[in-house]
Amino acid sequence: GENVEQHPSTLSVQEGDSAVIKCTYSDSASNYFPWYKQELGKGPQLIIDIRSNVGEKKDQRIAVTLNKTAKHFSLHITETQPEDSAVYFCAASQPRVGNYKLTFGKGTLLTVNP
Amino acid sequence: EAGVTQFPSHSVIEKGQTVTLRCDPISGHDNLYWYRRVMGKEIKFLLHFVKESKQDESGMPNNRFLAERTGGTYSTLKVQPAELEDSGVYFCASSQERQGPADTQYFGPGTRLTVL
Repeated sequence: GENVEQHPSTLSVQEGDSAVIKCTYSDSASNYFPWYKQELGKGPQLIIDIRSNVGEKKDQRIAVTLNKTAKHFSLHITETQPEDSAVYFCAASQPRVGNYKLTFGKGTLLTVNP
Repeated sequence: EAGVTQFPSHSVIEKGQTVTLRCDPISGHDNLYWYRRVMGKEIKFLLHFVKESKQDESGMPNNRFLAERTGGTYSTLKVQPAELEDSGVYFCASSQERQGPADTQYFGPGTRLTVL
């Protein structure tokens, strides 16, 4: 089955700096890669996702890049703000009719220091 | 539009007792998923319903776990009898193609289960 590795497990940055979280996956058939943000006391919230037919996707300060050859994808947050502090999870799946289960990485605790 | 809701938010029980968790998906979502995160580890898939049918239950740890989704609306996950290793946060998620790609999953806040 699919295996997703996520690094680093913790990341501390100064407000305004950039943050990068990296994930690798094992199954070359995976073609959908979402990123979730989990704040304290809340469930994971989808912040951005990418599908295998594109190499990069941006949404304001957040971007995700995908390298299918190397089987890795990364989350980039620019101009970090204290409210970006949370646990971030990457995931991978092979969506097909009737089966969309996600395989998650272990999460990255991001702390943005004011 | 209301998101995915879960009840209770926290549950503390003793080993050997029974606990039932409830999930209400986003209205109209046919796909409903249960996941679990044990302390410090990744969020792991448990099972997937399409309407009232179990589509994939490959992640269910053992037969002490029973999930149901009668009528294809809300779902329950029962643990009987609970063991210490069942402690963790149980998440429910739902998805529906009409509101985006069918694989875009929206998560609830989770139920934190502690087995003493």
